[in-house]
Amino acid sequence: GAGVSQSPSNKVTEKGKDVELRCDPISGHTALYWYRQSLGQGLEFLIYFQGNSAPDKSGLPSDRFSAERTGGSVSTLTIQRTQQEDSAVYLCASSLVIDPGGGQPQHFGDGTRLSIL
Amino acid sequence: GEDVEQSLFLSVREGDSSVINCTYTDSSSTYLYWYKQEPGAGLQLLTYIFSNMDMKQDQRLTVLLNKKDKHLSLRIADTQTGDSAIYFCAAGGGATNKLIFGTGTLLAVQP
Repeated sequence: GAGVSQSPSNKVTEKGKDVELRCDPISGHTALYWYRQSLGQGLEFLIYFQGNSAPDKSGLPSDRFSAERTGGSVSTLTIQRTQQEDSAVYLCASSLVIDPGGGQPQHFGDGTRLSIL
Repeated sequence: GEDVEQSLFLSVREGDSSVINCTYTDSSSTYLYWYKQEPGAGLQLLTYIFSNMDMKQDQRLTVLLNKKDKHLSLRIADTQTGDSAIYFCAAGGGATNKLIFGTGTLLAVQP
């Protein structure tokens, strides 16, 4: 597509439920990132995919968080047994293949606003 | 780890220039980015600069990088009310290019 697409745009759920957030990156972008934006913590890196592999998961806050990517395209971020502190905006970004030393700019979706009651 | 800092708020009058400042700690950051976020929206890439450059200009935007002091600035010429938003500085590079973001600077443009 023309840009990074995320769904749903808003999600309200009860504490303890599982949620799945979806990201459809820009066509041809092999690198995909998930970030979280919250009032207390600002913008934080969660996980990085190159193709279907996740060589950097260092930002996932707990084992309740997991992500996968299939076909080198769509990615799903899953949060199990949600807690109120999981409330945040979850942003996905994609970029072209990483040059040695980095540098390809990341293009962001509009995010999923997650509210845990 | 890497830390990126920005001032929280800037107020300017329409037509003036705005300068938003950012400092970072990791000298190995190879790329520095500026993103704009409007209410309820994602992050819009404005511009970015490679660490071996001192300056980059793109229409009304000028980025200055002082690598010695690890200081980055974004100048917006002829600021318009549509420029009102939060501006984030981010540092990236390395094998993954994961971005470390500053806290964001809220730019308020007064008519």
